Amino acid sequence: GAVVSQHPSRVICKSGTSVKIECRSLDFQATTMFWYRQFPKQSLMLMATSNEGSKATYEQGVEKDKFLINHASLTLSTLTVTSAHPEDSSFYICSAREEGSTGELFFGEGSRLTVL
Amino acid sequence: AQSVTQPDIHITVSEGASLELRCNYSYGATPYLFWYVQSPGQGLQLLLKYFSGDTLVQGIKGFEAEFKRSQSSFNLRKPSVHWSDAAEYFCAVGAAGYSTLTFGKGTMLLVSP
Repeated sequence: GAVVSQHPSRVICKSGTSVKIECRSLDFQATTMFWYRQFPKQSLMLMATSNEGSKATYEQGVEKDKFLINHASLTLSTLTVTSAHPEDSSFYICSAREEGSTGELFFGEGSRLTVL
Repeated sequence: AQSVTQPDIHITVSEGASLELRCNYSYGATPYLFWYVQSPGQGLQLLLKYFSGDTLVQGIKGFEAEFKRSQSSFNLRKPSVHWSDAAEYFCAVGAAGYSTLTFGKGTMLLVSP
């Protein structure tokens, strides 16, 4: 199956700093990528849909100025958590859909963010 | 709006015993249904999916699931559980031509010796 890679897998930062998480589709082109957030022992919550070459679409309640998404190429989307605070600590997972297929979503390994 | 209910938060099964994880969905049209597995600190791996056709679908690692439209269910089964199956399992639903998925809250599977 197709592979989606996230980097970094773990990151620890100080409160007030910004952190960038990358999501790459390694062997296919993804016009659309999705960013999810997972709280401990809870399900995945869709944060935003990232479209190559255009602005991301954010779900209700997600601050777009806080969670900046850039999808500059067909294989890369980035999520930047700006001015991070401890409440932003979470597991962030991206997924990508392979165009022209049955639309199956492939998920990255996830990135654990800890804000001190 | 679509929704997914996984009524069991935790399930403990003895190694070698059979397993059934429950999933009920709410959706106004024919759903696309998925089961994913997540090991601690890891991303999600697709176990199986149902789009159409045979309502009993086979997946990886010996898992299968049955789509029952009358019950709005898509339960996951395995005849004999292995210790390595211990993980969290998520059921998800998407629309035809779906752009994203709605996930259930997950069921944590514990396997006892």
